[in-house]
Amino acid sequence: DIQMTQSPSSVSASVGDRVTITCRASQGISSWLAWYQQKPGKAPKLLIYASSSLQSGVPSRFSGSGSGTDFTLTISSLQPEDFATYYCQQASSYPLTFGGGTKVEIK
Amino acid sequence: EVQLVQSGAEVKKPGESLKISCKGSGYSFTNYWIAWVRQMPGKGLEWMGIIYPGDSDTRYSPTFQGQVTISADKSISTAYLQWSSLKASDTAMYYCARRFSSTEYFDPWGQGTLVTVSS
Repeated sequence: DIQMTQSPSSVSASVGDRVTITCRASQGISSWLAWYQQKPGKAPKLLIYASSSLQSGVPSRFSGSGSGTDFTLTISSLQPEDFATYYCQQASSYPLTFGGGTKVEIK
Repeated sequence: EVQLVQSGAEVKKPGESLKISCKGSGYSFTNYWIAWVRQMPGKGLEWMGIIYPGDSDTRYSPTFQGQVTISADKSISTAYLQWSSLKASDTAMYYCARRFSSTEYFDPWGQGTLVTVSS
């Protein structure tokens, strides 16, 4: 199985801050990576797919980059509605696997 | 609007059987794979397996192979996740999610079904 490691596991930030979350795959996955946002009590929501493609309806302050084993999700200017947990997911091979999550908290 | 609606919360005892459902609407149900994802209390997401309702082709994560059964009834646009003998460790939120286009990404997701197994 491909292991996905996210860092940090949590981050405290203020509204307006730039936030960067990283995800590392245990082996190369090309650009087969997605990012999801999950708010408490809600289902995950697809933000980014294919490493850097923004899902329809997702604000442009979210961006993704990377290929191979190292990936990044960036929120350029954190908004109140962005406080949530973020997960990466590799889409390269079965079984599909997720990172452990990064909780973005209010500072 | 593409939508997945899951069945309601369940409270079961260890050893009991259970089948939860996920009904798709707003799209051609037979043409898109549906996955199941587990989220244990306070934990992350785990991909359990996936089914193609058109022909019931199913793939399982090795972690869940033999522990659950994924099925679908295309006549009523519904996918299922079932257990024959629940354990306390099956207590979790279970989500269904539709494959996005022909990729292994998932959107949208169902609202989740909370399964509680307790004696």
